[in-house]
Amino acid sequence: QQQVKQSPQSLIVQKGGISIINCAYENTAFDYFPWYQQFPGKGPALLIAIRPDVSEKKEGRFTISFNKSAKQFSLHIMDSQPGDSATYFCAASKSGATNKLIFGTGTLLAVQP
Amino acid sequence: DGGITQSPKYLFRKEGQNVTLSCEQNLNHDAMYWYRQDPGQGLRLIYYSQIVNDFQKGDIAEGYSVSREKKESFPLTVTSAQKNPTAFYLCASSMGLATFPYEQYFGPGTRLTVT
Repeated sequence: QQQVKQSPQSLIVQKGGISIINCAYENTAFDYFPWYQQFPGKGPALLIAIRPDVSEKKEGRFTISFNKSAKQFSLHIMDSQPGDSATYFCAASKSGATNKLIFGTGTLLAVQP
Repeated sequence: DGGITQSPKYLFRKEGQNVTLSCEQNLNHDAMYWYRQDPGQGLRLIYYSQIVNDFQKGDIAEGYSVSREKKESFPLTVTSAQKNPTAFYLCASSMGLATFPYEQYFGPGTRLTVT
């Protein structure tokens, strides 16, 4: 019940296209859902995060869509650029006594010029 | 500059030796974390600490030890008991375990290779 399932494992998108990465969770107590971006040999960097009181959050070209009833959330990257090529991780946590993030297994995105 | 520093970036050790990875933060964060990352897997939590002199085991604590003597520092020791220590180790911090916003900020990582 603690798992976060992420798909696809890898994704190839043409420059200017839309990249979509999906995550699903089981624990309905989760109330914080961040996305991290990681370049090779670097630590993950927080990209965007959402809480379940909203269904969508947009920051620039990055949008999180959240479906509470389906227990799913997704990252959309509009107008994908070669510089977006990285590994993306979704995560989830439950506020309260601890803030342990449960991570998905990651999606390797390659944006072709 | 505020942030998290990890040293060294690359570390090589012989099997059977203990090794300590450094993590320092100047963000004035209360909580600190250690994760392990293996190819094709997400980040797995090793240990976390909410306050000085207190820490808790994560999901894969066996073969690891930590200390938290200062708020800014959270070193991780990989002991010889860790069966598969070769991995990319990431340190992170956040304002607090139960403090919103819950964002965790990561350091640049240490790649440990044990032969």
